[in-house]
Amino acid sequence: GESVGLHLPTLSVQEGDNSIINCAYSNSASDYFIWYKQESGKGPQFIIDIRSNMDKRQGQRVTVLLNKTVKHLSLQIAATQPGDSAVYFCAETGLTGGGNKLTFGTGTQLKVEL
Amino acid sequence: GAGVSQSPRYKVAKRGQDVALRCDPISGHVSLFWYQQALGQGPEFLTYFQNEAQLDKSGLPSDRFFAERPEGSVSTLKIQRTQQEDSAVYLCASSRRDRGGETQYFGPGTRLLVL
Repeated sequence: GESVGLHLPTLSVQEGDNSIINCAYSNSASDYFIWYKQESGKGPQFIIDIRSNMDKRQGQRVTVLLNKTVKHLSLQIAATQPGDSAVYFCAETGLTGGGNKLTFGTGTQLKVEL
Repeated sequence: GAGVSQSPRYKVAKRGQDVALRCDPISGHVSLFWYQQALGQGPEFLTYFQNEAQLDKSGLPSDRFFAERPEGSVSTLKIQRTQQEDSAVYLCASSRRDRGGETQYFGPGTRLLVL
């Protein structure tokens, strides 16, 4: 189930189940969205991205869905594995020009139970 | 290939001390970003370089924070007269080209603790 921890929302899933991590973004002008995975003691690692002219994009075991109407992103992980345990952040930015700094969401702690 | 590296990985400073944090971006990457990540939160933008030019420093929290990238490769983030609220992980990221849609690759970060 999903719960709000002291610092981060936490999602606990059984190994082999599918995970869905949600994110609400704030800036209507953002047109490029990225999901990052951050393991303890490491920097964020790129997982998958999506541009605003798309509503779905698939990678290996991961799918990102974008709903611009309600400014919502989701990351779906198929057949969740113990190695997927980490904090997941969505980030938003612009596509125009350079220097496109990322604005990160709160983050969700994913815990995979054996 | 080599990713973004940062040093030191950990730094303990006494309040009032100056610190310097180093970032080695991926070779040839034009854009370099610094972010600050407080415990339990997402990274927050500090500053951005296009080659050696610092084009955006809007995220630097005070004039105690200073960043440079003099030759367009290695960058240093300096914090003067550190305060306890500066305790955080400082992340560096680089991207290949300076345009939208480019993936930012992050280093492991420097964890700064100010006592």
